[in-house]
Amino acid sequence: AQRVTQPEKLLSVFKGAPVELKCNYSYSGSPELFWYVQYSRQRLQLLLRHISRESIKGFTADLNKGETSFHLKKPFAQEEDSAMYYCALVPSGTYKYIFGTGTRLKVLA
Amino acid sequence: GAGVSQSPSNKVTEKGKDVELRCDPISGHTALYWYRQSLGQGLEFLIYFQGNSAPDKSGLPSDRFSAERTGGSVSTLTIQRTQQEDSAVYLCASSAATGSRTQYFGPGTRLTVL
Repeated sequence: AQRVTQPEKLLSVFKGAPVELKCNYSYSGSPELFWYVQYSRQRLQLLLRHISRESIKGFTADLNKGETSFHLKKPFAQEEDSAMYYCALVPSGTYKYIFGTGTRLKVLA
Repeated sequence: GAGVSQSPSNKVTEKGKDVELRCDPISGHTALYWYRQSLGQGLEFLIYFQGNSAPDKSGLPSDRFSAERTGGSVSTLTIQRTQQEDSAVYLCASSAATGSRTQYFGPGTRLTVL
């Protein structure tokens, strides 16, 4: 079955500390993977896509096919990073998104 | 247009009444999605349209839920005989048919069933 797992519902870190939001997926093919973010009182928006291999707001995510993971990382967390983060998978040849249950990140001052 | 829009932004209804939620996607986007976001439940996929057809309705929780899309643009999600457990934020998103599968989300409709 196709599935995205985000094991942490809540992750709290102190400002300036490294942060890693975990995402594991279950899919036999080559997926397209995304991280979406929802800041307080804002709409859900794209943070980054694995095929772009880009860094957005200091965040990076590397696709590890061996471990079927797509963890989101940032070396130094900022208070403005506090938000809800969703990992999503799109199976190849489709437009159907499979979202994880999300991780709420709280960056403490 | 500016982005995905949804109306109403808030809807309070009584148990047993029918409600209609509307989504206006970004112009030219052929794919349209409905999700439900409940507290502590994350994003629950409801239905997905490609053009006017819905290849995947697997997420609709019961036959009280239905959705349609006309003219490859506006979509309406209808919930009949609403129940208290239907209370949630209903999100719509759209994406282009080719290239990036990036989804652009609307602000959502907060439905409260009393």
